Amino acid sequence: AQSVTQLDSQVPVFEEAPVELRCNYSSSVSVYLFWYVQYPNQGLQLLLKYLSGSTLVESINGFEAEFNKSQTSFHLRKPSVHISDTAEYFCAVSDVGYSTLTFGKGTMLLVSP
Amino acid sequence: DGGITQSPKYLFRKEGQNVTLSCEQNLNHDAMYWYRQDPGQGLRLIYYSQIVNDFQKGDIAEGYSVSREKKESFPLTVTSAQKNPTAFYLCASTHVGGGSYGYTFGSGTRLTVV
Repeated sequence: AQSVTQLDSQVPVFEEAPVELRCNYSSSVSVYLFWYVQYPNQGLQLLLKYLSGSTLVESINGFEAEFNKSQTSFHLRKPSVHISDTAEYFCAVSDVGYSTLTFGKGTMLLVSP
Repeated sequence: DGGITQSPKYLFRKEGQNVTLSCEQNLNHDAMYWYRQDPGQGLRLIYYSQIVNDFQKGDIAEGYSVSREKKESFPLTVTSAQKNPTAFYLCASTHVGGGSYGYTFGSGTRLTVV
């Protein structure tokens, strides 16, 4: 069975500092990987996804994530965060060929001035 | 524009009452899901459906019921048997098979027991 572990429940950081949100998964087959963002009292929005090819994927707002098969990780990074990045971030995995996602418990990113 | 609509945004329930949360999508997605979100507990799957007139229990189905009479609609009823229904409820949808699409989520319904 799949599982997703987000190692930090909260990550506090100052504005303009770099940040890394960690995600590890377990699966016995090939996977697709996703990061979602949730702002307060809203639904989840897709931030970026890894399907195949280049292991580094980027979002339009400066986040990037790198698929590391040997370490079964898909950590999310941003070199310089803004106050507006304050949100909860969820990592998710699906087996290739199956539509069901398994989610991690989420990491709350708290950006302060 | 295509999307997934949840209504109402806020809902108040009295003790012993059943309430129904609406979820409608116009994305032509086959699969639909209901999640419950509580602080610090992530997303917990309540029910899901991959085809009309068929649905499966998730991890926390007790006290909830669903129907899938139309492809576009997947309403969730929170029954009086659900002892602690105060939570944020999220509906999602996706295509069946492949796995590359990910889910599209609605904006959620916040249910409060008064």
